[in-house]
Amino acid sequence: KAGVTQTPRYLIKTRGQQVTLSCSPISGHRSVSWYQQTPGQGLQFLFEYFSETQRNKGNFPGRFSGRQFSNSRSEMNVSTLELGDSALYLCASRSDSNTGELFFGEGSRLTVL
Amino acid sequence: AQSVTQLGSHVSVSEGALVLLRCNYSSSVPPYLFWYVQYPNQGLQLLLKYTSAATLVKGINGFEAEFKKSETSFHLTKPSAHMSDAAEYFCAVSEWSNYQLIWGAGTKLIIKP
Repeated sequence: KAGVTQTPRYLIKTRGQQVTLSCSPISGHRSVSWYQQTPGQGLQFLFEYFSETQRNKGNFPGRFSGRQFSNSRSEMNVSTLELGDSALYLCASRSDSNTGELFFGEGSRLTVL
Repeated sequence: AQSVTQLGSHVSVSEGALVLLRCNYSSSVPPYLFWYVQYPNQGLQLLLKYTSAATLVKGINGFEAEFKKSETSFHLTKPSAHMSDAAEYFCAVSEWSNYQLIWGAGTKLIIKP
């Protein structure tokens, strides 16, 4: 079974630009969560999507948005990039069995210059 | 709501020595508890999880954790550290309401030769 796939793995943007990150969950998983990881703040929950609906949301500004498609693939978008948005963005999927266990992708490393 | 405390942002042990990484949760017994490991520039990988079947849980790479309700703890141990264990370790617990994971701040394990 293929794992969670995130693209791109690395990208560099400049302030003010926008970025879109993609995540393909494990086959059969309908829940996709996004996290931001920085050295200073640790793992910060962005949002969770389930069957194309946002189910939970963390405490991030509206510049951070996401969506989920009917095949469970998800994208997140960050508009008007700031230097502080430089981070590793992790996507995770989980099954419907509700054990809470998350399966992570390798992340997208975003650098904002 | 739950909170998770990992004691020590950095733990340093000698190769071959006992590894002990501490995790305490805040309140009522959560349904599930987890330890994840993250190697540099990678996503998080599940080490082990507690699901109330047994208080001593064995995971991958020789790690184990013991759930102690009286101490609200779920500490991670390994009898003999190996250089390849150098990584960041995260403890997480799930909420009863929606099985969202609440994360500790992480502990970087440093192995001295």
